[in-house]
Amino acid sequence: QVQLVESGGGVVQPGGSLRLSCAASGFTFSSYGMHWVRQAPGKGLEWVAFIRYDGSNKYYEDSVKGRFTISRDNSKNTLYLQMNSLRAEDTAVYYCAKDGVVVATGPYWFDPWGQGTLVTVSS
Amino acid sequence: QLVLTQSPSASASLGASVKLTCTLSSGHSSYAIAWHQQQPEKGPRYLMKLNSDGSHSKGDGIPDRFSGSSSGAERYLTISSLQSEDEADYYCQTWGTGIEVFGGGTKLTVL
Repeated sequence: QVQLVESGGGVVQPGGSLRLSCAASGFTFSSYGMHWVRQAPGKGLEWVAFIRYDGSNKYYEDSVKGRFTISRDNSKNTLYLQMNSLRAEDTAVYYCAKDGVVVATGPYWFDPWGQGTLVTVSS
Repeated sequence: QLVLTQSPSASASLGASVKLTCTLSSGHSSYAIAWHQQQPEKGPRYLMKLNSDGSHSKGDGIPDRFSGSSSGAERYLTISSLQSEDEADYYCQTWGTGIEVFGGGTKLTVL
């Protein structure tokens, strides 16, 4: 079955950097777009970024543009999120999710989701 | 602007049915959406994709108790024969060119 396992979360100071990874298995990774979605403590879901199945297109939520970079390595079935210039408001659980449509320009819906990794930005 | 509106909370009794609503902003009534469930302390789970004509396709393993329907700009999630494990947050979500939008979520309490 499809499995998405995030890693790389932790505590980082404001202005610092962190790289999240998402290891994918159980499906043809190179055929699906992938997303990062976050959830601040006690808050709702917020989409962060999307990358097309072949890496040729990337989209970002406005508040992370210029600070976060989504990327993928289809040979390793792994999705990444490089987060720079981190702020307190970036504190959240970060989920990776597979897009719902195969070989698509995307983005569409999220199916399925990983279990998340917690990022805490604090001095 | 593409916006999804959900009521913050809903409640229903064990064994009863409940209908949750997600409303698309003006000019976007033809959009499809997706419903997701998030049980306490867990990651979200995809429930279904719901089209403007009410047709829907559910995720793997989603029980028949979960169904979707549409009317105009409203998208509905109906849960019948409520069970205790249905107590969760429910989010609707839609998409456009290069964007994804979530509703604020509805917290469902099973009495």
